[in-house]
Amino acid sequence: NAGVMQNPRHLVRRRGQEARLRCSPMKGHSHVYWYRQLPEEGLKFMVYLQKENIIDESGMPKERFSAEFPKEGPSILRIQQVVRGDSAAYFCASSPSPPDTQYFGPGTRLTVL
Amino acid sequence: AQTVTQSQPEMSVQEAETVTLSCTYDTSESNYYLFWYKQPPSRQMILVIRQEAYKQQNATENRFSVNFQKAAKSFSLKISDSQLGDTAMYFCALMDSNYQLIWGAGTKLIIKP
Repeated sequence: NAGVMQNPRHLVRRRGQEARLRCSPMKGHSHVYWYRQLPEEGLKFMVYLQKENIIDESGMPKERFSAEFPKEGPSILRIQQVVRGDSAAYFCASSPSPPDTQYFGPGTRLTVL
Repeated sequence: AQTVTQSQPEMSVQEAETVTLSCTYDTSESNYYLFWYKQPPSRQMILVIRQEAYKQQNATENRFSVNFQKAAKSFSLKISDSQLGDTAMYFCALMDSNYQLIWGAGTKLIIKP
């Protein structure tokens, strides 16, 4: 059973560009969570999605950030007009249903030049 | 607000020794879940152990065990017979009723040969 897949693993963008991060949950998991980790810090919750629904986006910045989990295909975290402060590791996790354990992907490291 | 505190930024022990990592938390909820995750140099977030708050028995997974003190809101991780591969950042996390994971700042554990 393949684990949570994230791509790309590393992403470099210039200020003002768009970043798209993809997450494919484990087989049989329909719940996806996105977290952000700044250097030398723990993770911070961003958004929780179920297929075609955003359940909780209380941790997501109001502007420039959006997330989706379509009926078919991976979950996408989209950051528009990136700024240097967006540089971080972005982790996706999935679970069969809460409060089941969340299993994490390898993360996407975003660097904004 | 719910918080998780790890008061040991870094610890170092010799191989085969036992080490205990501390974690305290604060929540007003009666039903919650606690986790320890490890993040080795590969940066992958790996589940170590999970504890349900309603269970009085401490969780164990091979060489890893927890000391869950609900009244004191303490959740420490004990690693017995430590191995070089245990070198990693260790994060304590609390799952609340919104199914978000709330994270501590982490403890860097170094196992010396």
